[in-house]
Amino acid sequence: AQSVTQLDSQVPVFEEAPVELRCNYSSSVSVYLFWYVQYPNQGLQLLLKYLSGSTLVESINGFEAEFNKSQTSFHLRKPSVHISDTAEYFCAVTLSGGYQKVTFGTGTKLQVIP
Amino acid sequence: EAGVAQSPRYKIIEKRQSVAFWCNPISGHATLYWYQQILGQGPKLLIQFQNNGVVDDSQLPKDRFSAERLKGVDSTLKIQPAKLEDSAVYLCASSTVGEVFETQYFGPGTRLLVL
Repeated sequence: AQSVTQLDSQVPVFEEAPVELRCNYSSSVSVYLFWYVQYPNQGLQLLLKYLSGSTLVESINGFEAEFNKSQTSFHLRKPSVHISDTAEYFCAVTLSGGYQKVTFGTGTKLQVIP
Repeated sequence: EAGVAQSPRYKIIEKRQSVAFWCNPISGHATLYWYQQILGQGPKLLIQFQNNGVVDDSQLPKDRFSAERLKGVDSTLKIQPAKLEDSAVYLCASSTVGEVFETQYFGPGTRLLVL
């Protein structure tokens, strides 16, 4: 079965500084990878996903993540964060092909400090 | 387009009581999911419906949890009797046809506290 690890439970960062949220997965077969974001008092929203093709995927609000098969990672990055990026970010994985449930990580709380 | 609706938003009960949560997915979405999110953990899938049929309920504690989606639209998740460890946020999500690569749209969740 697949699993996903988010080692950082909280990441404080100053406004306009860069940030990286780490995600590692374990699977011996092909996977699909997702990042979801949960803003305070809101439901989870899809931020970006990797299915196939280019290993670098981008979101509309400046986040990007790179699929690294050799390191089994899918780290989320943003070159300059804004106060409005304060939220909890969840990495998720599912096996490609057929029916497979999505497995979520434990989440990373990003706190942007003004 | 209206999002996934859930009610109630908050519920406090005593252990051994019963509780029910309601979810109305996005119109036209055939697939509906219920997740349990315990504090400090990621969401865990409890049950997935495709229309009104169950696709996966392997992680649903069937001795106390039940769920139904009778008309293939809205759904109810019930806990009877509740235990302290059931304190969590219960999330409902929906997607169009349930393919693994599809985006799941989540509701705001129901926060349950069992005393």
